[in-house]
Amino acid sequence: DQQVKQNSPSLSVQEGRISILNCDYTNSMFDYFLWYKKYPAEGPTFLISISSIKDKNEDGRFTVFLNKSAKHLSLHIVPSQPGDSAVYFCAAGTPGGYQKVTFGTGTKLQVIP
Amino acid sequence: DGGITQSPKYLFRKEGQNVTLSCEQNLNHDAMYWYRQDPGQGLRLIYYSQIVNDFQKGDIAEGYSVSREKKESFPLTVTSAQKNPTAFYLCASRNERDRGSKNIQYFGAGTRLSVL
Repeated sequence: DQQVKQNSPSLSVQEGRISILNCDYTNSMFDYFLWYKKYPAEGPTFLISISSIKDKNEDGRFTVFLNKSAKHLSLHIVPSQPGDSAVYFCAAGTPGGYQKVTFGTGTKLQVIP
Repeated sequence: DGGITQSPKYLFRKEGQNVTLSCEQNLNHDAMYWYRQDPGQGLRLIYYSQIVNDFQKGDIAEGYSVSREKKESFPLTVTSAQKNPTAFYLCASRNERDRGSKNIQYFGAGTRLSVL
């Protein structure tokens, strides 16, 4: 049972345009959400997060939007740059001592110069 | 220069052999994790540890074992019981005490394990 879904395995965007990566989840107990960026043969690096009590969080070119009623979040990258080309993982966590995090399957973003 | 170090970067396992993947962190984090990534899939949790001398099974622990004798170290052994060990293995740690970043896991560069 995939609780965190990224339905688009890949996305191509022209440099300078907006990249929108989507993520859907099914578990209403998720308390916080994170986006990670991963280059080939490297570990994921944290990009941005959002708490379930917010609907938007912004950090430079990156903005994450959360729609709790739709159980949907999205990552917007504006403007997109060639260095943004990577695999992006959405992750969601539940509160509590262990704080288990569930990862999506990833979306491969290609920014075309 | 703090971080998480995984070694080796590439590892080959023969049939029936146990192999151990190293994970060391100097971030002073209490919690540590092992994940497995297969092509087209997300990261799946193998084992996690919240404190020294304590660890818990994740979603796919069968065929794996861990130890946590030191705060800095969380080695993963892939045993011969793991019939499909070929994957990219990632170790992560988290600082539960930092209110601002307690939900963020920091990852090592990974170990790619292949079966000969």
